[in-house]
Amino acid sequence: KAGVTQTPRYLIKTRGQQVTLSCSPISGHRSVSWYQQTPGQGLQFLFEYFSETQRNKGNFPGRFSGRQFSNSRSEMNVSTLELGDSALYLCASSHGTSGGGTDTQYFGPGTRLTVL
Amino acid sequence: DQQVKQNSPSLSVQEGRISILNCDYTNSMFDYFLWYKKYPAEGPTFLISISSIKDKNEDGRFTVFLNKSAKHLSLHIVPSQPGDSAVYFCAASARRSSGDKLTFGTGTRLAVRP
Repeated sequence: KAGVTQTPRYLIKTRGQQVTLSCSPISGHRSVSWYQQTPGQGLQFLFEYFSETQRNKGNFPGRFSGRQFSNSRSEMNVSTLELGDSALYLCASSHGTSGGGTDTQYFGPGTRLTVL
Repeated sequence: DQQVKQNSPSLSVQEGRISILNCDYTNSMFDYFLWYKKYPAEGPTFLISISSIKDKNEDGRFTVFLNKSAKHLSLHIVPSQPGDSAVYFCAASARRSSGDKLTFGTGTRLAVRP
């Protein structure tokens, strides 16, 4: 079974631009979560989508947004990029039917975004 | 407020010996805990998990112990191998209230010496 895939793997943008990152979950997984990893803040939760609906949201400004399509693929968008948005953006997928069960999130390789 | 803490930023262990990585948490709502291994510029790789209804889970060389009263969990790797050298993250979720949202610790870099 193929793992989580993310495109592109590397991206360079300038301040003020916007960027869209893509994530394809493991087949059969309906939940997609996004995380940001930076040296200073570690791994931080951005948001989670399940069945095309945002189910959970972290503490990030409104410049960070996402969506999920009917095939469970997800995109995240960052508008008006700032230098501090430079990070590794990770996508994780799961069945999304947690409720106390043993659902596990599996991560993709990440997209390295550099903002100049 | 760091709800999941890994107080040891690094650990060095001799090949063949036991590696013990520790993690503390403060949120009583956490009911599911996971350990991930991560190499630079790659996504975290899932290792092992434990539900709050258990106090131990074992998978091959990896065992996770959970002490709910102390809000502490640990990952034991026996025997340690050079290929285990990586950064290990502890993560927790509060499934009943926050679904799949994971809160991560800051990581412990494990170096296994040949």
